[in-house]
Amino acid sequence: GENVEQHPSTLSVQEGDSAVIKCTYSDSASNYFPWYKQELGKGPQLIIDIRSNVGEKKDQRIAVTLNKTAKHFSLHITETQPEDSAVYFCAAGDDYKLSFGAGTTVTVRA
Amino acid sequence: DAMVIQNPRYQVTQFGKPVTLSCSQTLNHNVMYWYQQKSSQAPKLLFHYYDKDFNNEADTPDNFQSRRPNTSFCFLDIRSPGLGDAAMYLCATSPSGGSNEQFFGPGTRLTVL
Repeated sequence: GENVEQHPSTLSVQEGDSAVIKCTYSDSASNYFPWYKQELGKGPQLIIDIRSNVGEKKDQRIAVTLNKTAKHFSLHITETQPEDSAVYFCAAGDDYKLSFGAGTTVTVRA
Repeated sequence: DAMVIQNPRYQVTQFGKPVTLSCSQTLNHNVMYWYQQKSSQAPKLLFHYYDKDFNNEADTPDNFQSRRPNTSFCFLDIRSPGLGDAAMYLCATSPSGGSNEQFFGPGTRLTVL
């Protein structure tokens, strides 16, 4: 099955700085790579996703890059704000299933 | 608003006492998922339905069962909860699986005494 590794497990950044989270996956059949944000006591919410035929995608302050050859993908958050503080999960999957990384707790210091 | 609803949000049960968690959706999605998320861990897929077709993960304990009586509702039954089953249980839906977004509900926090 798919195995997704996510680093770092915790990340503290100064407000206004950038945050980068990296994930690797094992199954070359995976073709869908979403990123979820989970706030305390809530379910995960999709913030951005990328498919295997695309190398990079951007949505305002959030961008994701995918390197299928190396089997890794990354989340970039620019100009971080206090409301970006949360747990972020990467995931990889195909067909109907997603495998999640262990999560990154991001803290944005004011 | 179209959404995924989970009830109850918090459930307390006793060791060995059966419990049922419910999920409903107004999105009319074909696929529904149940995940278990323990503290500070990633969501772990237990099983999913594509329409009425049930798909169990190989490592999901027999203690966990599911029912999907119609498109809108899906239930998670834990037949004999153990202390290790205390977790957040997340329901998610997807239009037709594949490379499609999964929409998550708010989760049910299960406590086993």
